[in-house]
Amino acid sequence: DAGVIQSPRHEVTEMGQEVTLRCKPISGHNSLFWYRQTMMRGLELLIYFNNNVPIDDSGMPEDRFSAKMPNASFSTLKIQPSEPRDSAVYFCASSLRAAGELFFGEGSRLTVL
Amino acid sequence: DAKTTQPPSMDCAEGRAANLPCNHSTISGNEYVYWYRQIHSQGPQYIIHGLKNNETNEMASLIITEDRKSSTLILPHATLRDTAVYYCIVRVLSYNQGGKLIFGQGTELSVKP
Repeated sequence: DAGVIQSPRHEVTEMGQEVTLRCKPISGHNSLFWYRQTMMRGLELLIYFNNNVPIDDSGMPEDRFSAKMPNASFSTLKIQPSEPRDSAVYFCASSLRAAGELFFGEGSRLTVL
Repeated sequence: DAKTTQPPSMDCAEGRAANLPCNHSTISGNEYVYWYRQIHSQGPQYIIHGLKNNETNEMASLIITEDRKSSTLILPHATLRDTAVYYCIVRVLSYNQGGKLIFGQGTELSVKP
């Protein structure tokens, strides 16, 4: 079975540009999580959804960040405008039920110049 | 959520048991103890979780003290492929809405030949 699929795997962009990261959770999973990882701050939870509804977005750093989950099989994390400090690896994870183990994707490495 | 304290790094000889400690002295009665690991450049991987009883699966064993203020993850026969950062996390679970999985700094385990 396919795991959590993230795209793009690598993105290099210039400051001020819009960035959209995509995630396809494992089929049948109804919870989805977005994390960001940097050397300085480690793994940070940005937002999580349950049944396509955002449950907790307190980790979203600022209004430049937004996340959507229009259906059970797709989610996006958008940064507009991007800044160099947004450079990080962004992970998406899904779980079969809200309290279940999380399965992580391979991550999207973002570099903002 | 309760915070956890882990040693920043540990070494283990290949073939020996690796015992990774975690302190969670402020854990609440409804918080579970989870362990994940992250092999370099990959997404975190679920290992095991428990509430108050000891747990064992094909990957590891989890020993939780009777007062639940600390736990130990045991990899019975460590291999070089077990070299990774190991995260101990406490998590409040709501059946309907799940719960945040907040990562700390973890323990960097190096398995040496």
